[in-house]
Amino acid sequence: DVKVTQSSRYLVKRTGEKVFLECVQDMDHENMFWYRQDPGLGLRLIYFSYDVKMKEKGDIPEGYSVSREKKERFSLILESASTNQTSMYLCASSSPGQVTTGELFFGEGSRLTVL
Amino acid sequence: AQKITQTQPGMFVQEKEAVTLDCTYDTSDPSYGLFWYKQPSSGEMIFLIYQGSYDQQNATEGRYSLNFQKARKSANLVISASQLGDSAMYFCAMREGDTNAGKSTFGDGTTLTVKP
Repeated sequence: DVKVTQSSRYLVKRTGEKVFLECVQDMDHENMFWYRQDPGLGLRLIYFSYDVKMKEKGDIPEGYSVSREKKERFSLILESASTNQTSMYLCASSSPGQVTTGELFFGEGSRLTVL
Repeated sequence: AQKITQTQPGMFVQEKEAVTLDCTYDTSDPSYGLFWYKQPSSGEMIFLIYQGSYDQQNATEGRYSLNFQKARKSANLVISASQLGDSAMYFCAMREGDTNAGKSTFGDGTTLTVKP
């Protein structure tokens, strides 16, 4: 069963803390994405990566960074957490192969609360 | 301008009836893909159906079909014979460009409630 695994389902952090959200996929996908989901705002893309050590900014990258040292792992980093980063974070992966539609495979999400 | 618009924040449907969830999109790229995803209360997003901009036929996957009207830029999801398990949030998404390696833009979602 193919899988995208996010390291933590629920986290509570304090303002100013450094936060790491980890995502691992076992499908050998080239593409990986971090989205943020807030009520009434849908999913907004934070960062994405098409290859190891490669990253591109999405629509709302401010306050976030990412790391992709291995193909299967894509980490989202909040250097100094703030209360407005309280949200649900969704990791996704996809394959650019010709035989697929490139649909996204999602993890279960990480609900982060910043106090 | 918003690229994906879902105008129905919430919808109700009686069990066993059909329901249509609306989605309109905005792009100037002739090549794009349209997706629908389901998010149950458990939180995990599930891919339902895909329509490519050059596809001549409307996509179907079991009880799901996509009513693709290219000139109107709409890609409505039709769920036939609704089941209680269909209660969830549904997202329409678009990926622009002629490669399936691109990023997807999502709408705000529609919460569907199926009544017994």
